[in-house]
Amino acid sequence: DAGITQSPRHKVTETGTPVTLRCHQTENHRYMYWYRQDPGHGLRLIHYSYGVKDTDKGEVSDGYSVSRSKTEDFLLTLESATSSQTSVYFCAISPGQGQETQYFGPGTRLLVL
Amino acid sequence: AQSVTQLDSQVPVFEEAPVELRCNYSSSVSVYLFWYVQYPNQGLQLLLKYLSGSTLVKGINGFEAEFNKSQTSFHLRKPSVHISDTAEYFCAGADSGGYQKVTFGTGTKLQVIP
Repeated sequence: DAGITQSPRHKVTETGTPVTLRCHQTENHRYMYWYRQDPGHGLRLIHYSYGVKDTDKGEVSDGYSVSRSKTEDFLLTLESATSSQTSVYFCAISPGQGQETQYFGPGTRLLVL
Repeated sequence: AQSVTQLDSQVPVFEEAPVELRCNYSSSVSVYLFWYVQYPNQGLQLLLKYLSGSTLVKGINGFEAEFNKSQTSFHLRKPSVHISDTAEYFCAGADSGGYQKVTFGTGTKLQVIP
C-alpha cells in the first residue's frame, strides 16, 4: 500500500472555527490532491498540488485553502468552517500526470456543528 | 473537460451471479479511464485503467472493463461475484495530453446478496 496518512481521522468542530487537515506521504510523489466525498456527488476535487509551493484550484475550492511547503505534506485549511463542509475528506497522491493511478489515504470524517 | 456518468446508484445482485456496472463518459478528445473500488470506511483503490491499446482491460479481483469509443462507455463486469465484492465502485476519467484533472462519477453501490 502507498504510504499515505491523514490526520486527524475524525474531527468535530463548530461553525466559524478554522480547521486544518494534514496529508502526509512517504512515496515522494509529485502530485497531491484533496477531495471531498458526499452522498450523490462522488468525489469532488478541492485543490491539488503539482510540486512544492505549486497548487491550483479544483471544482469546489471556495472556503478552502491549501499549502505545500514540503514534498511529503499537503495541508487543507477550512478558513471558517460551515455546516456545508461536513464531509469525508480524502487525500490522494500520484507520481505524474492525469493518466497515472491515484493512491488514496484513509480519509478524515469532519462534522461541523 | 471530461465528464463521467454512472447510471446506477445501487446494484443488488445474488452471489455467484454476473454483474455489469455502467459508466459513460463525454469527451471530444482521447481519454484515460479508470475504475476504483471503495470498501466501507476506506479510501479508494484502483481496480483497472484504460490508457490505450486493447479495449478489454483486466483488473484485480476478476474484474474487467471494455472501452467502447463509439458508445463512449467503459462498463465494468465480473462473471461471478462474491460477498467480498460488496463495495462502492467509482468510474473516473481524464482527458489525455498533458496534465488533466481526473473527474469521478457519483459511484455505484454493489450489494451482493447471499
